[in-house]
This record gives sequence, C-alpha cells and structure tokens, in this order.
Amino acid sequence: AQSVSQHNHHVILSEAASLELGCNYSYGGTVNLFWYVQYPGQHLQLLLKYFSGDPLVKGIKGFEAEFIKSKFSFNLRKPSVQWSDTAEYFCAVSPSGGSYIPTFGRGTSLIVHP
Amino acid sequence: DGGITQSPKYLFRKEGQNVTLSCEQNLNHDAMYWYRQDPGQGLRLIYYSQIVNDFQKGDIAEGYSVSREKKESFPLTVTSAQKNPTAFYLCASSPGQVNTEAFFGQGTRLTVV
Repeated sequence: AQSVSQHNHHVILSEAASLELGCNYSYGGTVNLFWYVQYPGQHLQLLLKYFSGDPLVKGIKGFEAEFIKSKFSFNLRKPSVQWSDTAEYFCAVSPSGGSYIPTFGRGTSLIVHP
Repeated sequence: DGGITQSPKYLFRKEGQNVTLSCEQNLNHDAMYWYRQDPGQGLRLIYYSQIVNDFQKGDIAEGYSVSREKKESFPLTVTSAQKNPTAFYLCASSPGQVNTEAFFGQGTRLTVV
C-alpha cells in the first residue's frame, strides 16, 4: 500500500514570500501525483497533477511542483504567495495501475499575512 | 453543471442513532470514494466502490456502511458502532482509470451530541 508524508503541518508566511511544501511518498510502482487545495469554506479542488513526462508541472494560480523520482518527492512551490493562498494543501498519490485509489497526506495549513 | 453533490452540508445527530450521508455525481464516473477528514490527520479512506454493486473497505471502515445500487449514488451510513463519528466527510469520484484525478463534493460536517 502507498503512503504520503507531508513535512510541514503549519506554515505562516508574509505576502510575497516564497513557498515550498514538502511531500514524499512510498510505493513500489509507478504513481500519479497530485496536489489539492482546500480554501476556507470551499471544497477540495485540484491544484496540479503529474501523470508522466516533464517532471516539472505547472498548476493553477502560479503553483508548480517537481517530481523527483529518485527521492520519491513531489514538492509544491510558488515564488510569491498572496493572502488569497491561505488554505490547506494536500499531497496525494495513486497507483498507475490496479485500484487507482488516491491516498492523501495529512495536509499543510498555510496562512499568508497581508 | 457536472459535479458531486453531498447533502446535507451540516448534520446533527444524537449519540446512538444511525445517520446516512448522501453523495450523488453526474460525471458518469465509475469509481466513488468516502473519506473522513479530521484536523491534522488529512483524509482517510472509509470505503470505495469501483463499479456498481461492488464496494470495498478502506482504512477506517469500522462503524460505517455503504451501498452502490446506482452508478451515480454512493450513500454512507454512520452507525452507532462508530466510536467517534463527529467529523467532516468528503465524497469523491473518478473515472477509475490510469491518469485521471478524483473530484470532490462540498462535504458534510456531522456532529454527534
């Protein structure tokens, strides 16, 4: 079974600061990788995804993530955060074969001060 | 609009009562999932279904039951056997194929008093 580890549980930044949220997974096979975001009072929505190809993927709202296969990592980055990025961020992994069930990390709560 | 509808948004029940949470999708997805979200614990899988009339236990299925009689519907019953039922419940669906992602409903916040 796969598992996901998110290293930062709470992050507090000022606007314009750079962001990097760590995500590592464990699974013996090929995976699909995701970052989801949950804004206050809203439903979980997809920020970006990696299926194959270029390991640097770009998502909505200026977010990007890099898949480093050798490190089993899929870290999320944004060069300059905004107050509106305040949200909870979840990394998820699903096997590329078999059940395709997504497994989620514990989430990172990001607060951006204006 | 295509999507996933969970109802109700807020639900209050007395301890010892069973309660059923609704989840409907019109995305024509084969797979549906129920997750439980608790602060600091992320999303934990309760049950999943990859096809109509079939479902499997997830990581924390004890005290819960589901049915999948129709492709678009996957209701979750929280039974009195669930020791700590107060939580935020999320329903999701996906095509259930490689290189696809899951879509989520708005969630139901269940409070048992």
